Parts: sequence; C-alpha cells; structure tokens
Amino acid sequence: DTGVSQDPRHKITKRGQNVTFRCDPISEHNRLYWYRQTLGQGPEFLTYFQNEAQLEKSRLLSDRFSAERPKGSFSTLEIQRTEQGDSAMYLCASSLQIGTSSTDTQYFGPGTRLTVL
Amino acid sequence: GENVEQHPSTLSVQEGDSAVIKCTYSDSASNYFPWYKQELGKRPQLIIDIRSNVGEKKDQRIAVTLNKTAKHFSLHITETQPEDSAVYFCAANASNNDMRFGAGTRLTVKP
Repeated sequence: DTGVSQDPRHKITKRGQNVTFRCDPISEHNRLYWYRQTLGQGPEFLTYFQNEAQLEKSRLLSDRFSAERPKGSFSTLEIQRTEQGDSAMYLCASSLQIGTSSTDTQYFGPGTRLTVL
Repeated sequence: GENVEQHPSTLSVQEGDSAVIKCTYSDSASNYFPWYKQELGKRPQLIIDIRSNVGEKKDQRIAVTLNKTAKHFSLHITETQPEDSAVYFCAANASNNDMRFGAGTRLTVKP
C-alpha cells in the first residue's frame, strides 16, 4: 500500500496518560498535515510540516500537543496529560508541494481513533 | 482567518436525482477548493477539486462550480446512486496554506 498510513488505528487510554501517534506519508511527499475530527464535523487543522520544518500550528492547539517530523519522512503527534475532550479521530494527510504559487492536493490516512476514559 | 460554511447539513435524494451542496468561504486569497467524500469509519477521499483560475470542472457525474466574486463554490452530483451515500466535505486553503473544512453534508441516496 503506497498511501498514507497511521499507527495505531485505535487507542484507548485513561485520562492523564500520554499518547503518541505515528503517520507515514506517501514517500515522495514533502508536506505532512495533522487534523482532528470529531463526530459530525469536518477535519480541524492542527499543524503542518514542510520536510522537517513545522511551518504552522493552529492557535487552538493546546501546549499539551506536540508534533515532530525529525527526518522529514514520518511524523509523530504526542498528547500529554490526555483529557476526555481529546477523544477524536486524528487524521494525517500528505501532499507534494511544487513551487510556491499553488496549493497541493492532500491525501489522507485512515486516522487514529483516540478514546480517553 | 479562513471560515468555510457548508449547506445543507443533510440531504436526501431519490436514486437518479441530482444533489447539490454549497459552500461559502471568507478569505479572498483562497485559490484552491477540494471536495472530499467520507464513508463511515473511512478516510476522507478526494473526489474533485478546483483552482481559482477556472469557474467549472467536471468529472463524469461530478462537477464543481466556483464563483470567486461571491466567494462560493458548489458540488453537483448527477444521476445519483446508492453508493454516493456518504458525508461530503468542502474545503478552502487559507492564506497560510493550511486547509479549512466545512462541517460536512450527509448525503443519503434512496434506492
């Protein structure tokens, strides 16, 4: 499968625990995005990387959330001290950005469904 | 920042009828407008997109129209089939290159 992959697909944790999710983008894609999706809503932007550089973070993103893309390939999203309100589907997307004048098409992974008890 | 509104939130049509979903956006700098289809428990899948240098794009039974002056764009599905039933999301790129999504439209096609 050459699409975007995410691991794990499901995570159940207790409030206060830390969790980490992984995203593997399409191999030649230089941009990687993280979104959060709750039931009945569209994906909500969290952050994105161009290669290893984190270029944008949502103002809504709590400081308990951190993301890395150390080698410009896979990315991890960590949530510290999880809260029940963090329960959601966490989606990763990747794209190939060519030049600076147009926006790239994003392809989504299957998501990681987080449940915080 | 960019704000995307999508209507209706639910849409039910008979098989063979057309379905239209409308979105508006606020950032006049937005120039890329994709549409995604998401089936229950699955990832959003891109079905069609349009850039601001064209007003309409068609791919078989699916078409998208864009009115930059009015800041709205629409998805048109003709000859609907039961397998078109899903949640559809519109999106627009913000000036800082992140993507803003609408809240989604749940389309039900009745056989």
